[in-house]
Amino acid sequence: GENVEQHPSTLSVQEGDSAVIKCTYSDSASNYFPWYKQELGKRPQLIIDIRSNVGEKKDQRIAVTLNKTAKHFSLHITETQPEDSAVYFCAAILMDSNYQLIWGAGTKLIIKP
Amino acid sequence: EAQVTQNPRYLITVTGKKLTVTCSQNMNHEYMSWYRQDPGLGLRQIYYSMNVEVTDKGDVPEGYKVSRKEKRNFPLILESPSPNQTSLYFCASQIRFFSGEGYTFGSGTRLTVV
Repeated sequence: GENVEQHPSTLSVQEGDSAVIKCTYSDSASNYFPWYKQELGKRPQLIIDIRSNVGEKKDQRIAVTLNKTAKHFSLHITETQPEDSAVYFCAAILMDSNYQLIWGAGTKLIIKP
Repeated sequence: EAQVTQNPRYLITVTGKKLTVTCSQNMNHEYMSWYRQDPGLGLRQIYYSMNVEVTDKGDVPEGYKVSRKEKRNFPLILESPSPNQTSLYFCASQIRFFSGEGYTFGSGTRLTVV
């Protein structure tokens, strides 16, 4: 079955620096890759997503890149701020199967002041 | 306000006592899903529903039941809860499967089975 591996499990960066979280997927048929942010005690919320026909997508300080050949995609956060502290989840969806969204295990991002 | 409403937010129960966690959405979404979240394991799908009267198992369906008799409601039923079902549960909905708009999650239900 499809698997999504997410690294690192914890990431600590200085405020103002950039943060990068990487995910790899196992099924080359995957073609939709969302990223969710979950603040402490709150629900996950979609922050950005990318489809397999696009290599990069940006939304202000966040961006996602996709390398289909290597089967990995990454979340990039620039100029990190304290409110970026959260757990981030990547996911991949297999469009031609039973439509399950396969989740990574999550990355706890800590922004140090 | 468009939202997914779960109840209760917190629940402590005893082993074997049947319980239901309700989930309701007011967005006319076709697709609904239940997840459990455990430390280090991320989000694991329990059941999902593509539309009314259409449900299917996710990754970890054992010990759970669902029903989708009407579009807005998707209750999660634990017929005989056990301590290994202690977890944080999220209901989520989407206008239809792969609409490109992402999931809307409920606020979560923290369940403790003693």
